[in-house]
Parts: sequence; structure tokens; C-alpha cells
Amino acid sequence: SQTIHQWPATLVQPVGSPLSLECTVEGTSNPNLYWYRQAAGRGLQLLFYSVGIGQISSEVPQNLSASRPQDRQFILSSKKLLLSDSGFYLCAWRIGQSTDTQYFGPGTRLTVL
Amino acid sequence: GNSVTQMEGPVTLSEEAFLTINCTYTATGYPSLFWYVQYPGEGLQLLLKATKADDKGSNKGFEATYRKETTSFHLEKGSVQVSDSAVYFCALSDLTQGGSEKLVFGKGTKLTVNP
Repeated sequence: SQTIHQWPATLVQPVGSPLSLECTVEGTSNPNLYWYRQAAGRGLQLLFYSVGIGQISSEVPQNLSASRPQDRQFILSSKKLLLSDSGFYLCAWRIGQSTDTQYFGPGTRLTVL
Repeated sequence: GNSVTQMEGPVTLSEEAFLTINCTYTATGYPSLFWYVQYPGEGLQLLLKATKADDKGSNKGFEATYRKETTSFHLEKGSVQVSDSAVYFCALSDLTQGGSEKLVFGKGTKLTVNP
């Protein structure tokens, strides 16, 4: 069966510090991968998605970037965090064209102070 | 673009009460519709889905019917339990600017069930 991992689970960072959040998927190959952010009172917003290694698309301009160095690894980064980057970050995966259902990881709670 | 509107929460019910969480959507074409649930401190779990008009998704006593004529996908449960306390998200499938599948979510409805 497929599982998705995210770490860390919780992170508190000062403004201006760098960020690296990691997401890995097990039990599947060539998944589509997604990063969402859930900000207070704003629902979930798609940040990035990837259909393959090295292929990253951004849905909204922002202070963040994403990379996919391996088939089942998706990384969310920032060089300098802003207060507005605080939120709950969720990674999700989907299998190619066979289904439109996405499966989510446990999330990372990021607080920028 | 496609969008989802959920009823504002929070919703507070007593155990065994009937639950309805309203969800309406705006979309071109016929997207798949989803309900996801987020328990405290956790990620999202797929609760149920429907892929075409008049389909009924069901799971764990929850049901939702894809109503094309009213563009709705309301979530219902006949008798809620304390363990149903969570945030519920309605979502639809859409395409990114690059043509890949994505989900568009409503803002979520927090449900609290009291014993």
C-alpha cells in the first residue's frame, strides 16, 4: 500500500531564516505530487505541483520554491521566511491519469515569528 | 475558474443529531466532487467522492449526492458521533494552468459534536 510522509511535523522559525520541508511517497511510482498551504481562515491553496523528476509548476507567485530531486521526493523551500509563510503545509500525491483523487500526508505546522 | 463554496462554520451538534454541511460549486464541464475530513492535528483524509451527476458517494455513514441541476454536493449523516468532530472540506477537480489535475477546496467547516 502507498504511504506518504512529511517532516518535520512542527516547525518554528524566525523571520528571514531558510526553510526546507520534505515529503516522500512509498509504494508507488511516478506519482503526481502537490504542495498545498492551509492558512488560518483561508482554506487550502495549491502552491506547487510536479508531474515528474525536475518538473515543477507554480500556481501562485510567492516566497517559496519547490524541487523534486527523486521520483518520490518533493521538497518545499524558502531562502528567507516571511511572517505570512506561517501555516499548515500539506503534501499530496496522485497516480498519473488513472484517477483524480489525491491523498494527503500528515502535514507540517510552520510558525514564523 | 472553478470554485467551491461551503457553509460557514463552526457547526456544533449533540451526539446522534442529523448533520448537513452545504457545498455548492461553480465549474465549467463536469468535475469530480470530493469531501475530505481533517481530524485535529492531522492531514486530510478522503471521505467520499462522486464522479458524475446523480452519483452518491458514501463512507462511514456520511453521504453526498452530485446534483448537477443545483450544482451542489451537500454532506449528510443521519446520526453524528463525538468522533466525527473534525473539519470537513468540499473540493472539486480542476486543471492547472499547465493542464495537470488539481483540487479546488472550499474553506472548510468545523464540526464539533458534544456528548
